[in-house]
Amino acid sequence: ETGVTQTPRHLVMGMTNKKSLKCEQHLGHNAMYWYKQSAKKPLELMFVYSLEERVENNSVPSRFSPECPNSSHLFLHLHTLQPEDSALYLCASSQQGDQPQHFGDGTRLSIL
Amino acid sequence: AQSVTQLDSQVPVFEEAPVELRCNYSSSVSVYLFWYVQYPNQGLQLLLKYLSGSTLVKGINGFEAEFNKSQTSFHLRKPSVHISDTAEYFCAVIFTGGGNKLTFGTGTQLKVEL
Repeated sequence: ETGVTQTPRHLVMGMTNKKSLKCEQHLGHNAMYWYKQSAKKPLELMFVYSLEERVENNSVPSRFSPECPNSSHLFLHLHTLQPEDSALYLCASSQQGDQPQHFGDGTRLSIL
Repeated sequence: AQSVTQLDSQVPVFEEAPVELRCNYSSSVSVYLFWYVQYPNQGLQLLLKYLSGSTLVKGINGFEAEFNKSQTSFHLRKPSVHISDTAEYFCAVIFTGGGNKLTFGTGTQLKVEL
């Protein structure tokens, strides 16, 4: 298996639920990213991990909690989300420096 | 301020016609430039990149782009499009000194019609 894999592909949850999104990369990269893609808005960078340390947190609400246990895995823990959090959540990975990011197919999240 | 602009939100074109998708950026530092494509229900796939060297860059699926430093542009072109090229295209920039952070344009929806 190669590339960046995200699970689940689709997730429907209520506002009081707790769930987690998973991302796994098989490319040997040392940086991983979470993006939010909403309709008619630019991609929003949420979090950046480099060498398993969080290096960027772009004013994301605390109801989103990232976790990077090793260089191949990245999680996004969700709790008490709001309807406006419904979006496509994309994970990406890259080598540090000027190398391009490789994206997973995303998790389509719907908040009821 | 550093920014990326894709002026065209939608570009309709007939099959086998040429197409150009525009991308401009604003920066006081040197840049690395990328184009990504997103098909429905999928993530972003890298089409091509400019890091240094020749300003004309060739990518996958017959696409190419030209870096024009004086005009701060990186327009994407294809001489003859196919129905399967229907997708959303994103221009993205790494502004040097800012780590790996990619700044994306708002995207251009390319719709190829028969």
